[in-house]
Amino acid sequence: AQSVSQHNHHVILSEAASLELGCNYSYGGTVNLFWYVQYPGQHLQLLLKYFSGDPLVKGIKGFEAEFIKSKFSFNLRKPSVQWSDTAEYFCAYPQNTDKLIFGTGTRLQVFP
Amino acid sequence: GAGVSQSPSNKVTEKGKDVELRCDPISGHTALYWYRQRLGQGLEFLIYFQGNSAPDKSGLPSDRFSAERTGESVSTLTIQRTQQEDSAVYLCASSLGGTGGNTQYFGPGTRLTVL
Repeated sequence: AQSVSQHNHHVILSEAASLELGCNYSYGGTVNLFWYVQYPGQHLQLLLKYFSGDPLVKGIKGFEAEFIKSKFSFNLRKPSVQWSDTAEYFCAYPQNTDKLIFGTGTRLQVFP
Repeated sequence: GAGVSQSPSNKVTEKGKDVELRCDPISGHTALYWYRQRLGQGLEFLIYFQGNSAPDKSGLPSDRFSAERTGESVSTLTIQRTQQEDSAVYLCASSLGGTGGNTQYFGPGTRLTVL
């Protein structure tokens, strides 16, 4: 069945550490992938998305993700995290009518 | 409006009562989605409206759940005879529609607690 999986459920980092959150997908054909973020008390919002073309996608707030077809992965990265990056991060893909199928999410805590 | 709005922000109800949740999408967005986020779980798709097409109801968990949308504006999600397992945050999103994964813009959600 089509799905995305996030294996990191809870990540704790100190400020300035590098971040990589895993996202793996399990479907073929046209691959569109998203990363959404939910900051404490705020709406879910789009970080970045991959449709086609350059597999390295830049998003807001210094985040990037790389689509690696051979590894079925779309990991989210940031070279140096800040306390304000504390949030929950969701990988997702659009199925059929554009409804989003989300991974289970990764809670990131960044300590000063 | 500037973004997707939802009301109420919080709803506490007793088991067995009916509840109605409202979503106002971004003006001009033809697509509207409802999702549910239960504690400790990811987001689950519930229902999708696109213009005048028949809605995609494939995510509704039971016949106690229904939703309507008036044209390309407001949508209401109704849960009849609420159960404790219905407790969750109900999120609404809207987008420009079409296929290919247009960006969905989410509202703040309605936190439903069923006692």
